[in-house]
Amino acid sequence: DGGITQSPKYLFRKEGQNVTLSCEQNLNHDAMYWYRQDPGQGLRLIYYSQIVNDFQKGDIAEGYSVSREKKESFPLTVTSAQKNPTAFYLCASTTTGTAYNSPLHFGNGTRLTVT
Amino acid sequence: AQKVTQAQTEISVVEKEDVTLDCVYETRDTTYYLFWYKQPPSGELVFLIRRNSFDEQNEISGRYSWNFQKSTSSFNFTITASQVVDSAVYFCALSESGTASKLTFGTGTRLQVTL
Repeated sequence: DGGITQSPKYLFRKEGQNVTLSCEQNLNHDAMYWYRQDPGQGLRLIYYSQIVNDFQKGDIAEGYSVSREKKESFPLTVTSAQKNPTAFYLCASTTTGTAYNSPLHFGNGTRLTVT
Repeated sequence: AQKVTQAQTEISVVEKEDVTLDCVYETRDTTYYLFWYKQPPSGELVFLIRRNSFDEQNEISGRYSWNFQKSTSSFNFTITASQVVDSAVYFCALSESGTASKLTFGTGTRLQVTL
């Protein structure tokens, strides 16, 4: 079955360490996204990519970095510059280059805890 | 700027009760799309419905129905005869024309259905 795989499901890191969250999709989608979810808040966009080797900052990109070397993969690195990294991170993709009218397909998320 | 408000933070109902989840949005665009997503305890958001701004017809899908009213900028979601499996967080989202690859999510409504 096609879908989006995020790994790991739970991740624990010490403050000051960079950490990379994996996101792989086999839906042949062009566009991929990273969202952050905090308790009681909606999803906030971190980065998105509409095509391989290209990506744009979302609303809360500071302290994060991404790469899009392959269509299937869109890893997110949470750097030590991110002041409040503990959160639930969701990866998503769409069939076209815009989420304007295309529903997003989501992964199961990675819960990152930094102490 | 676009905005989505889900004023109900948490709703608890007993199984078989009907429940309505409210969604109010703000946008300056005349062309936009509205979405509802369901987030079960597993964490993955699941797409439920998409509605464009030119289509004010209400939609029914099994026990789910949606009431879109442009006059009040609302896109409410009703679950008839709720079931325990409906327990989840429900998100309303808005996508404006010209803001490709970006959705604005509401803060979500947590629905708890008990026996």
